[in-house]
Order: sequence, then C-alpha cells, then structure tokens
Amino acid sequence: DIVMTQSPDSLAVSLGERATINCKSSQSVLDSSDKENYLAWYQQRPGQPPKLLVYWASTRESGVPDRFSGSGSGTDFTLTISSLQAEDVAVYYCQQYYSVPPYTFGQGTKLEIK
Amino acid sequence: QLQLQESGPGLVKPSETLSLICSVSGGSISRSNYYWGWIRQLPGKGLEWIGSIDYTGSTYYKPSLKSRVTILVDTSRNQISLRLKSMTAADTAVYYCARHEIRTPMDVWGQGTTVTVS
Repeated sequence: DIVMTQSPDSLAVSLGERATINCKSSQSVLDSSDKENYLAWYQQRPGQPPKLLVYWASTRESGVPDRFSGSGSGTDFTLTISSLQAEDVAVYYCQQYYSVPPYTFGQGTKLEIK
Repeated sequence: QLQLQESGPGLVKPSETLSLICSVSGGSISRSNYYWGWIRQLPGKGLEWIGSIDYTGSTYYKPSLKSRVTILVDTSRNQISLRLKSMTAADTAVYYCARHEIRTPMDVWGQGTTVTVS
C-alpha cells in the first residue's frame, strides 16, 4: 500500500495569512503514461463529510475558491491557502488514487485560526 | 443534484454483522463510469477506504478487510449496501458512501452514519 504522510499534524495561521500543508507519498503517484499525479486534497469541516478540493495534484474542483492551490509532483505535494478565511478552519487530507486498491489517505492536518 | 444518504443501525453488538445502505438520489446508480464506495472514519482519526462497487456488481476491497466485507448493488432501488461481519470495538466509526470513477478521487459524499460497537 502507498502510505501518505502529512505535515504538520496541526497548524495555526492568522486570518489573511498563508497556510501551507505538505503531503508525502511512500512511492511516486506520477503516472508516466499520462503524466498525471494521482493526488487529491479534501477539506473536512467539523461535523461534515470530506469535500473534494483539488485533484490531479493541482486542478481545483468546480466552485472551490482560487485561494486554494495544489502543487507538487512524484512524491511531494503541497496545498496552499493564500489568504486564510474563517471558513477554512477544517481538517485537510491528501489522498492517492494511483495504486488501487486500496485508496489511501494521509492522517490529516488540522488548520486553526491563530 | 446527486445526493447520497447512508442508513443503518447506530449500535451493533460485538461479533455481529453490520449492514448499511447507501441510497442514491438525483441520478442513476447505473451510470457506467461510476463506482460507489464505502469509506469510514475512526473516532478522532483519519479516513479509511473499505471498498467500491460499480453497477454491474464488480467490486474491489481493501485487502486487509476483504475477508469480512461484502458490498452489493441494487440498481432497481438505486442503492448500494455494505456488510461487515465479526464487528469489534475497533470498527466503531462514521461510515460514508461516496461516488468516484475508476482511479479518481471521491467527488460526492453522503453525510455519514455513526456506528458504535458495544
């Protein structure tokens, strides 16, 4: 199984400031045939199901604000929130869908307001 | 708008079998591109994919759970179901159903249903 490891486990950022969450996979999730990184990011607000934010490592899901951006390739990925808003308080998960089964998720990063 | 809704018993006794239903509305479960999966979230922990099924009944499961899991599809009712046998306290979790295509992320999720083993 591909193991996904996120850092940090928790993060406190001031409103309007940048938040950066990292995700590392135990093996590459870059498919050499289509040159896509099979990596997604989800947001889970308290009491809610996960919501897909980014897929193919850097493509925003429809309706996701452009302050959210994904980057990286191979085994190292980053989710950046350029200007933190109050509604961004949540737990964020990365997920690989390259080598399935199983789909695997990172352990989550809890984002709070400083 | 596609909606998924999980239902089932909130409480299960140890050693019993859990049975959950995911009802799909606002779209047909028989769309050929899609898989319908079960994912659980252990208390205070992360997300664990359990398995997925398409409308033909083709399934794939997490290897470590495969011996205990059965996922079925009922296209006439637009539902999928999850059976997890030999439940223990370690299976206490929120269980979600979600839609995805093969080798793609889950783009539509249900609200989840909490299952306690006690």
